[in-house]
Amino acid sequence: DVKVTQSSRYLVKRTGEKVFLECVQDMDHENMFWYRQDPGLGLRLIYFSYDVKMKEKGDIPEGYSVSREKKERFSLILESASTNQTSMYLCASHRPGRNNEKLFFGSGTQLSVL
Amino acid sequence: DAKTTQPTSMDCAEGRAANLPCNHSTISGNEYVYWYRQIHSQGPQYIIHGLKNNETNEMASLIITEDRKSSTLILPHATLRDTAVYYCIVRRGGATNKLIFGTGTLLAVQP
Repeated sequence: DVKVTQSSRYLVKRTGEKVFLECVQDMDHENMFWYRQDPGLGLRLIYFSYDVKMKEKGDIPEGYSVSREKKERFSLILESASTNQTSMYLCASHRPGRNNEKLFFGSGTQLSVL
Repeated sequence: DAKTTQPTSMDCAEGRAANLPCNHSTISGNEYVYWYRQIHSQGPQYIIHGLKNNETNEMASLIITEDRKSSTLILPHATLRDTAVYYCIVRRGGATNKLIFGTGTLLAVQP
């Protein structure tokens, strides 16, 4: 089975800090995604990448950037963390194909910004 | 992508079938219906998807109405471990894949 690993389960940071959330997948998937999940709002897409060094903004990219230097790793960067970025962050990967729309998710990183 | 409507929450007795409805009245001909679930403190997990025919796998069955404007996910014998938020998503098939998750249905399986 596909494994999507997020580097931290829980993270506590201070306002203004630069924060890196790391995600690694082991199935050579082309597509990788970062979502955030907040109560009452469901999952919202921040950024996604369909190839190394390629990225596209999702629905809420403000305050975030991403890096994909290697196919298996997709990093989410908070340049200057703010309290409204306290959230559950979920990484996912996917192999594109006409009838292969299955996303594989990591267990999530609960980030608290104080 | 078509919008979906699901009830906010549902209850089901353990051992009984859980039938989770989803309305997608604006679905177009090339859009698939996907179901995911999210157990507390975990990432979402794929369950099943279909285009127009009914589908069954080891986890669930998916029934899509003939006009494709609604569907039902069926868990034939719900267990306590099926308590989760269930997401119904409509998406065009293709290489780029931005699945949009709504707020889903919280299914509570009662002992």
